[in-house]
Amino acid sequence: DGGITQSPKYLFRKEGQNVTLSCEQNLNHDAMYWYRQDPGQGLRLIYYSQIVNDFQKGDIAEGYSVSREKKESFPLTVTSAQKNPTAFYLCASSSTPRTGNTGELFFGEGSRLTVL
Amino acid sequence: AQTVTQSQPEMSVQEAETVTLSCTYDTSESDYYLFWYKQPPSRQMILVIRQEAYKQQNATENRFSVNFQKAAKSFSLKISDSQLGDAAMYFCAYRFRTSYDKVIFGPGTSLSVIP
Repeated sequence: DGGITQSPKYLFRKEGQNVTLSCEQNLNHDAMYWYRQDPGQGLRLIYYSQIVNDFQKGDIAEGYSVSREKKESFPLTVTSAQKNPTAFYLCASSSTPRTGNTGELFFGEGSRLTVL
Repeated sequence: AQTVTQSQPEMSVQEAETVTLSCTYDTSESDYYLFWYKQPPSRQMILVIRQEAYKQQNATENRFSVNFQKAAKSFSLKISDSQLGDAAMYFCAYRFRTSYDKVIFGPGTSLSVIP
């Protein structure tokens, strides 16, 4: 079935360590996104990519990095520079205007990162 | 910059009754999408309903319907015949239609359904 797969579902990290969250999609979508969600709050955009080998910073990019070497994959690295990384991370994808679309984001099941 | 506001942090409804969740947004664009997403306790984001701004007709999906007032920049969600499974966080979201950069989310409304 087509969809978005995020892994791991739960991740624990010691302070000072970098961690990478995986996001893979088989929907043939050009655009991919990473959002952060804190308890009781909405979604804040970290990074997004509209095409392979290109990505843009969102509203809270500091302390995070991404790559987009393949259309299907958009991994997010939470670096030690991120001051408060404990959160729920959601990856999403969508089609782009040139390929035809219905506009919505399709989401993965999320990754819960806890810093010990 | 575009913003999305949901003025009701929490709402509750009796099972089988109707509830309306409010959403307002701010944009200078004329061509955009609006969405309502549901996030149940599993935290999986689920699209509830979508509205294209150029369409006059309000979108409807089974028990879910919207009241889209473009001039007022208002996009409320009505849930009819509420069910226990409707209990969730509901997020209103906006995206510019012809440029697929950001989707802007509101802060969410937590809906409880009382048996």
